[in-house]
Amino acid sequence: GENVEQHPSTLSVQEGDSAVIKCTYSDSASNYFPWYKQELGKRPQLIIDIRSNVGEKKDQRIAVTLNKTAKHFSLHITETQPEDSAVYFCAASGPGNYGGSQGNLIFGKGTKLSVKP
Amino acid sequence: ETGVTQSPTHLIKTRGQQVTLRCSSQSGHNTVSWYQQALGQGPQFIFQYYREEENGRGNFPPRFSGLQFPNYSSELNVNALELDDSALYLCASSFRAVNPSTDTQYFGPGTRLTVL
Repeated sequence: GENVEQHPSTLSVQEGDSAVIKCTYSDSASNYFPWYKQELGKRPQLIIDIRSNVGEKKDQRIAVTLNKTAKHFSLHITETQPEDSAVYFCAASGPGNYGGSQGNLIFGKGTKLSVKP
Repeated sequence: ETGVTQSPTHLIKTRGQQVTLRCSSQSGHNTVSWYQQALGQGPQFIFQYYREEENGRGNFPPRFSGLQFPNYSSELNVNALELDDSALYLCASSFRAVNPSTDTQYFGPGTRLTVL
């Protein structure tokens, strides 16, 4: 079944700097890769996602890149702000994974991002 | 915020008891997935419901069961509660046009279950 590794587990940056979080996945059949932001005590919030027919996607200060050959994808946050502080989760999904179902998500263990003012 | 709601917000049970958690999906969505999130971990897939049928299951025992209703809301039932069942239970709703498909999932606020 699918396995998703996420690094680093914690990341501390100064306000205005960039932050990069990396994930690798094991199932080459995976075709959908969302990123969620979870603030303390709140729900995971979808911030950006990418499908396997695209190599890069950008939304304002947030971008995601996907390397299907190497089976890894990354989240890039530019011009970080204190309100970006949260735990970020990557996930992978796709046909044929995890119990034969489609559409379920396999999550990484999360990265705690701290942005210092 | 998404239109996905869950109830109750918090729940305290004792070992061996049974619990039912509820999820109302976002308007227009027809699929509900349930996840268990232990403290400090990423969500783990329990199962998914599409058109009122279970459409995949993760590595959870049969004492975890569910339902989806005609209005696409869903229930998660856990029997014979164990201490390790203490976690945040999240549901996520999505719209599936065709099956199989990988949908964009939107999470509810979760139910915090504590088993004593």
